[in-house]
Amino acid sequence: QQKVQQSPESLIVPEGGMASLNCTSSDRNVDYFWWYRQHSGKSPKMLMSIFSNGEKEEGRFTVHLNKASLHTSLHIRDSQPSDSALYLCAAMTNSAGNKLTFGIGTRVLVRP
Amino acid sequence: DTTVKQNPRYKLARVGKPVNLICSQTMNHDTMYWYQKKPNQAPKLLLFYYDKILNREADTFEKFQSSRPNNSFCSLYIGSAGLEYSAMYLCASSSNYAEQFFGPGTRLTVL
Repeated sequence: QQKVQQSPESLIVPEGGMASLNCTSSDRNVDYFWWYRQHSGKSPKMLMSIFSNGEKEEGRFTVHLNKASLHTSLHIRDSQPSDSALYLCAAMTNSAGNKLTFGIGTRVLVRP
Repeated sequence: DTTVKQNPRYKLARVGKPVNLICSQTMNHDTMYWYQKKPNQAPKLLLFYYDKILNREADTFEKFQSSRPNNSFCSLYIGSAGLEYSAMYLCASSSNYAEQFFGPGTRLTVL
């Protein structure tokens, strides 16, 4: 069964700093990676997705994907206190009915 | 409106009693999902409906049932709750296997 590993488990970042989160899948058939953000007491909301090798940038958020190593990373620059949340990585495999397999998440705390 | 609603938000159940959780969406999404989330664990997919077709995960096949009377509503049914069912239950919906939109969750406590 596919596993999705995320690291680190938690991260403390100074306001204005860079946060870097990692995610790796054990399934060689992964087609998409999704990053979700969940603020405390709220539902997870999709942040970014990526399916091609390389990099994708949206504002302060950048996602990298290396399909050969099944590794994706999320980078948050100029981190803000409002970025404090649980970041969930999910892998989707088209052949498995497009189901999402989630990692445990990385808890990010941005200190003012 | 990209809202997925869940009722109730909190549910207290006795061991051995049935539990029924409700989810609704008005985005006309073809697929609705149910996940179970326990503390310090990844959200775990329990089952999903693609249109009227129910797909249940192999390892939770006998523990959960579901119905989807129309496109907007989906329920999650536990016939006999056990202590191990205490968790947050998240409903999500998507269209054409794109982004999944999540509801706020129902926190189930079984005593």
